[in-house]
Amino acid sequence: ETGVTQTPRHLVMGMTNKKSLKCEQHLGHNAMYWYKQSAKKPLELMFVYNFKEQTENNSVPSRFSPECPNSSHLFLHLHTLQPEDSALYLCASSQGSQSSYNEQFFGPGTRLTVL
Amino acid sequence: AQSVTQLDSQVPVFEEAPVELRCNYSSSVSVYLFWYVQYPNQGLQLLLKYLSGSTLVESINGFEAEFNKSQTSFHLRKPSVHISDTAEYFCAVIRMDSSYKLIFGSGTRLLVRP
Repeated sequence: ETGVTQTPRHLVMGMTNKKSLKCEQHLGHNAMYWYKQSAKKPLELMFVYNFKEQTENNSVPSRFSPECPNSSHLFLHLHTLQPEDSALYLCASSQGSQSSYNEQFFGPGTRLTVL
Repeated sequence: AQSVTQLDSQVPVFEEAPVELRCNYSSSVSVYLFWYVQYPNQGLQLLLKYLSGSTLVESINGFEAEFNKSQTSFHLRKPSVHISDTAEYFCAVIRMDSSYKLIFGSGTRLLVRP
């Protein structure tokens, strides 16, 4: 596997379910990101991890819980979601740095539907 | 705060015709500018970027964009499109004092018809 992979690619869940999205990068990067892509809206940055430390939480509701056990893996744990949380969730990675621009590489996304 | 406006949600065009996808941004500080492309069922791929230097930047597949500071624009153009260019195109900016916080526009769907 190369690049950034995400599993599952599609997920349907009820509002009372608990599920997790997984992202893995094979690029040797140290920063990882979660974005939310809703229909007809700009991509929204949710969380940023830099060298396994969370450096950004963009006012995301607590029903979304990220986890970054190492620089290659990023999870998004979901519980008691709402139908408006249905969206494409994209993971990205880049070289870790706070001082200069580093290109972000995106995974294919997980299409989440909350019933 | 920064914002990015893509006025056209969808642009239909015939194959081999020229196309321009518009992008305007608002920022109180200097920014870097980007165009990303998203093909169906795929993630975003960087198409081209402006960081410094020449205001005209080109991609390997024939797209170009020109940074116009006075008009705060970064329009994407291609002189002759192919069916395979059908995709969603996103304009984005990053503040020069931020290494990672991409601000995206809402996207423009380019639909190339035979």
